[in-house]
Amino acid sequence: EIVLTQSPATLSLSPGERATLSCRASQSVSSYLAWYQQKRGQAPRLLIYDASNRATGIPARFSGSGSGTDFTLTISSLEPEDFAVYYCQQRSNWLYTFGQGTKLEMK
Amino acid sequence: EVQVVESGGGLVQPGRSLRLSCAASGFTFDDYAMHWVRQAPGKGLEWVSGISWNSGSTGYADSVKGRFTISRDNAKNSLYLQMNSLRAEDTALYYCAKAVRGSGNAFDIWGQGTMVTVSS
Repeated sequence: EIVLTQSPATLSLSPGERATLSCRASQSVSSYLAWYQQKRGQAPRLLIYDASNRATGIPARFSGSGSGTDFTLTISSLEPEDFAVYYCQQRSNWLYTFGQGTKLEMK
Repeated sequence: EVQVVESGGGLVQPGRSLRLSCAASGFTFDDYAMHWVRQAPGKGLEWVSGISWNSGSTGYADSVKGRFTISRDNAKNSLYLQMNSLRAEDTALYYCAKAVRGSGNAFDIWGQGTMVTVSS
């Protein structure tokens, strides 16, 4: 099973700042890496798929990069609504796994 | 509107069975793979199972393999999860999710979930 490790566990920033979230895979996942945002009491929302493709309706301040084992989600300038938990997810054949999440909190 | 709606959750005793359903609408159901993802209270997301558009391929997390069975009925635009031999650690909110167009490597439409509680 491919393990995804997200860092940091918690990120404390202010609106307007740049956020950089990391996801590292225990073995190469090519570009099969997605990012989700989840707010309390809500279902997850797809932000990025295939490492760098923004999902429909996702603002341009969200961007994804990386390939192989190291991936990054960048939020260029934080809006108040961006404070939430973020998960990465990979696919390897018919096995999918999620990272443990990064909580983005307001400083 | 593109949506999926889960049902069938509830309180069940350890060792018993439960069948979850997911009704899809607003998209061509048989064009997409579908998945179940769960989230235990206060915990992260865990992929449970997935099925290809024509039921030709399926996958299961190790934690449920041999106990859970995923299926779909394209004529009814419905996805199912048969859960047998339930354990306390299966307690979670179960989400139905649609695979993204093209690569199918991510999930772009999620329901609000149905809660399963396994307890005596």
